[in-house]
Amino acid sequence: SQTIHQWPATLVQPVGSPLSLECTVEGTSNPNLYWYRQAAGRGLQLLFYSVGIGQISSEVPQNLSASRPQDRQFILSSKKLLLSDSGFYLCAWSVYRQDYGYTFGSGTRLTVV
Amino acid sequence: AQKITQTQPGMFVQEKEAVTLDCTYDTSDQSYGLFWYKQPSSGEMIFLIYQGSYDEQNATEGRYSLNFQKARKSANLVISASQLGDSAMYFCAMRDSNYQLIWGAGTKLIIKP
Repeated sequence: SQTIHQWPATLVQPVGSPLSLECTVEGTSNPNLYWYRQAAGRGLQLLFYSVGIGQISSEVPQNLSASRPQDRQFILSSKKLLLSDSGFYLCAWSVYRQDYGYTFGSGTRLTVV
Repeated sequence: AQKITQTQPGMFVQEKEAVTLDCTYDTSDQSYGLFWYKQPSSGEMIFLIYQGSYDEQNATEGRYSLNFQKARKSANLVISASQLGDSAMYFCAMRDSNYQLIWGAGTKLIIKP
């Protein structure tokens, strides 16, 4: 069976510091991978998605970047965090061009202070 | 433009009663998928049920069923015999032709004992 791991669960970072959130998927090959952000009490905003190693599509221009160094690893990064980067970050996977998967990690709650 | 609308920001329901959460969608695609997710206070996004646009029968998963009315473009979630543990945010999402999920704003469901 497929599992998705995301860490850390919570993070408090000062403004201007770097960020690295990691997501890994097990039990499937060549998944589509997604990073979402959720502001408090709001819906999900797609930030990045990837259909393969090194292939990243950005949905929203911002202070963040994503990388996919391995087939089942997806990393969300920032060189300098802003207060507005605070939120709940969720990683997800799905099978390419199929309605299968769309399963989420447990999320990272990021607070920028 | 493709869109998901959840018109109920919040609902209170008595324990053991059935509850219907509304979801309408707007798309010109012939092929699409509809998903419902539950997000408890912990933040994890839990997949509940899926309905494909070509599926003729309504999807069911245990106490969850999806009332799919294609002509009306609605995909309401029905929870039978509600339990206290059903209290959570519920999100409706639609997979579009690019295999991206479009999200509704969510409904906060509170089950009263």
